[in-house]
Amino acid sequence: RKEVEQDPGPFNVPEGATVAFNCTYSNSASQSFFWYRQDCRKEPKLLMSVYSSGNEDGRFTAQLNRASQYISLLIRDSKLSDSATYLCVASRGGSYIPTFGRGTSLIVHP
Amino acid sequence: DARVTQTPRHKVTEMGQEVTMRCQPILGHNTVFWYRQTMMQGLELLAYFRNRAPLDDSGMPKDRFSAEMPDATLATLKIQPSEPRDSAVYFCASGTGGETQYFGPGTRLLVL
Repeated sequence: RKEVEQDPGPFNVPEGATVAFNCTYSNSASQSFFWYRQDCRKEPKLLMSVYSSGNEDGRFTAQLNRASQYISLLIRDSKLSDSATYLCVASRGGSYIPTFGRGTSLIVHP
Repeated sequence: DARVTQTPRHKVTEMGQEVTMRCQPILGHNTVFWYRQTMMQGLELLAYFRNRAPLDDSGMPKDRFSAEMPDATLATLKIQPSEPRDSAVYFCASGTGGETQYFGPGTRLLVL
């Protein structure tokens, strides 16, 4: 079992839809969590950090559930430009050693 | 706009040859990561440096891979000898404490 697991998708949604991804992590020592976005044939880029109290950045909302060991990403009012792969990351220990999930593919269509 | 740079961007080589990939982290960043990405395995951490010292390289095949930071402006990843299964995209990333990472554009390696 991988340490960080994501549904690979693809999630195929129309413009304007709301879509949510979950990511589960198995290492209870994980302390920091992030969502990255990766476009086709490009490098991953930080989308947002995930805080215990939940956080929002425009149309994007991230939540952390430590008891159930999962993080989520909600995208409201999807845009065509949101089409990408979304990678979740759990970092463990004082050295913040990161583990990436394999990513969830999102396709937003007109 | 500070960026992580990686060279070469593309590399095609024959099995058994040595491959050296280079990374210049963002000036002032003290953490450097090397990753390998394939369709099958996703993004795998190979090595992690902080202040040029290796913190974790448990994900790196030790028999053929080596990672070093000769100085704060250069990180290298070497494969010797290379094998077809090493074909992948190799990313370098840098940061200021191990949390937020800034990725380079990657080196696309094909070993024939």
